[in-house]
Amino acid sequence: DADVTQTPRNRITKTGKRIMLECSQTKGHDRMYWYRQDPGLGLRLIYYSFDVKDINKGEISDGYSVSRQAQAKFSLSLESAIPNQTALYFCATSDFSQGWDTQYFGPGTRLTVL
Amino acid sequence: DAKTTQPNSMESNEEEPVHLPCNHSTISGTDYIHWYRQLPSQGPEYVIHGLTSNVNNRMASLAIAEDRKSSTLILHRATLRDAAVYYCILAKRSSNTGKLIFGQGTTLQVKP
Repeated sequence: DADVTQTPRNRITKTGKRIMLECSQTKGHDRMYWYRQDPGLGLRLIYYSFDVKDINKGEISDGYSVSRQAQAKFSLSLESAIPNQTALYFCATSDFSQGWDTQYFGPGTRLTVL
Repeated sequence: DAKTTQPNSMESNEEEPVHLPCNHSTISGTDYIHWYRQLPSQGPEYVIHGLTSNVNNRMASLAIAEDRKSSTLILHRATLRDAAVYYCILAKRSSNTGKLIFGQGTTLQVKP
């Protein structure tokens, strides 16, 4: 079983709809991240969380919100989806116990907003 | 945040060594050099990281210039499975953000 899972893997939705992307991990890591990737570009950080009570904005948080329901679960919501939020979304976790932030990524969610 | 510069693309033949360069002329003393790669239709995966000394692991080697302004990821024998986008990233140990700043990376093509 994969250590970092994302659901759904693919989603097509319409402008204005509320969408939630979910991420679960079995690695026992405290830190979790949400990134988006657009064609031809690298990954950009949306939000990150160091524990259940610690949520931080990344580079491009406008239009997104997150919820850290448990150590193992980190959800990303698009309150009112718009076409330029069409992208590939990745969740990641990291274990900071050794002072390193080696990140482990999920398989991604491909979101299309029509 | 210090930036990195990588070639957009490189080609290699299967079973030959590949040297992927990265320039980071504004690197600070507390920046570690990390490499990740992203295989087609997958999330990025960690490859290797280092500070000053060259590093080896089962996936690759990392050669770091003495002035630390550049580094090279070395794949000793490229396979078709190594075709991916390779990202060179600077990150601080014990970072209070933990965030990784991904550039556009180098797309590596491996020819059979």
